[in-house]
Amino acid sequence: QITLKESGPTLVKPTQTLTLTCTFSGFSLSTSGVGVGWIRQPPGKALEWLALIYWDDDKRYSPFLKSRLTITKDTSKNQVVLTMTNMDPVDTATYYCGHSGLAFYGMDVWGQGTTVTVSS
Amino acid sequence: QSVLTQPPSVSGAPGQRVTISCTGSRSNIGAGYDVHWYQQLPGTAPKLLIYGNRKRPSGVPDRFSGSKSGTSVSLAITGLQAEDEADYYCQSYDSSLSGSVFGTGTKVTVL
Repeated sequence: QITLKESGPTLVKPTQTLTLTCTFSGFSLSTSGVGVGWIRQPPGKALEWLALIYWDDDKRYSPFLKSRLTITKDTSKNQVVLTMTNMDPVDTATYYCGHSGLAFYGMDVWGQGTTVTVSS
Repeated sequence: QSVLTQPPSVSGAPGQRVTISCTGSRSNIGAGYDVHWYQQLPGTAPKLLIYGNRKRPSGVPDRFSGSKSGTSVSLAITGLQAEDEADYYCQSYDSSLSGSVFGTGTKVTVL
């Protein structure tokens, strides 16, 4: 059974850097074709795709946020880390990580999400 | 930022059939990139409903089906049930953006 869980701060100040960790089980990120992605959802708004990292360390980013995002993986720890620099109140959202293995960029299993508020 | 357009809301009575459209362009759906659909029940994480335009993951009822035509795709829900009341999102890849995009989302209301 594949499970993922997001963790990180619930509150960050404007201009700070956000670091979120996705800890997963039930699969290996060294398996060919597997990826882990991040998606966010501001309160009451639509989903927004952020980044995706594949088993071979191929990394893809949203063009709108590319300059602020970094995604990395630690295969031995079964973790994927997303960092977002220069946080702003508009970045307040629930952040989800997900497993991608069934379809091109599709997230077939999602974590429960973690809510991040950006406020001074 | 979304380049995939969905109707804000659709509604139907129990047992009816409803469809949700997702309209894109030649750089995403029209280019042949697969579209996936997600269901998000209130207060929960999204769940994959349809992948690769029309495939259902294990456990998804066959009341849900996907189709594609040109630069648009559709999600159909037949035999609408109260538990289908949720937000639905389409997703695809866009070559001009070199990244994935989600649709604007559609709220389904069961009357």
